[in-house]
Amino acid sequence: GNSVTQMEGPVTLSEEAFLTINCTYTATGYPSLFWYVQYPGEGLQLLLKATKADDKGSNKGFEATYRKETTSFHLEKGSVQVSDSAVYFCALKDTGRRALTFGSGTRLQVQP
Amino acid sequence: DADVTQTPRNRITKTGKRIMLECSQTKGHDRMYWYRQDPGLGLRLIYYSFDVKDINKGEISDGYSVSRQAQAKFSLSLESAIPNQTALYFCATSDYGNEQYFGPGTRLTVT
Repeated sequence: GNSVTQMEGPVTLSEEAFLTINCTYTATGYPSLFWYVQYPGEGLQLLLKATKADDKGSNKGFEATYRKETTSFHLEKGSVQVSDSAVYFCALKDTGRRALTFGSGTRLQVQP
Repeated sequence: DADVTQTPRNRITKTGKRIMLECSQTKGHDRMYWYRQDPGLGLRLIYYSFDVKDINKGEISDGYSVSRQAQAKFSLSLESAIPNQTALYFCATSDYGNEQYFGPGTRLTVT
């Protein structure tokens, strides 16, 4: 079956530090990949997505590249801000399946 | 106004009680979903519906039921609540594309 594995948190960084949150996946088909972000007290919002191998999704300074050879979709940002503190979820939607499969989430805490 | 709304936002109930969580959307989407979020487990799919006449079980449907009253409304019921159903519940919608839009969540506590 499909699965998504994320690095465990919390990840604690100082402002302006470089961020990487690892995500690897297992899928039977050719999935689309997503990063969602959940700010405190809110629902999930789509941060970025990639629909095929070698695609790069980007938004708000965050980037992730769909690597089929390593089945990975790592989230990166060059310089984090306090306002980036949130929980980040990696997810996939496999062809032929009707809903998303989520990873367990990684909490990011950015200190001033 | 929010595109996806959930009521109530917080609820405390006792074991054995029946409870309904409601979700409404103004995005005009056909597809609606109910997820449950537990610490360290991410989101798990309870039920989903691709139109008013289409209801499907997700990975953790036991102990839950749903009703799709209209394109815009999708309710989740716990017929007899138990403490391990204490969690954060999210409703989501999508169109034919992959992106899902989430409501703000309902925090349910079963004592």
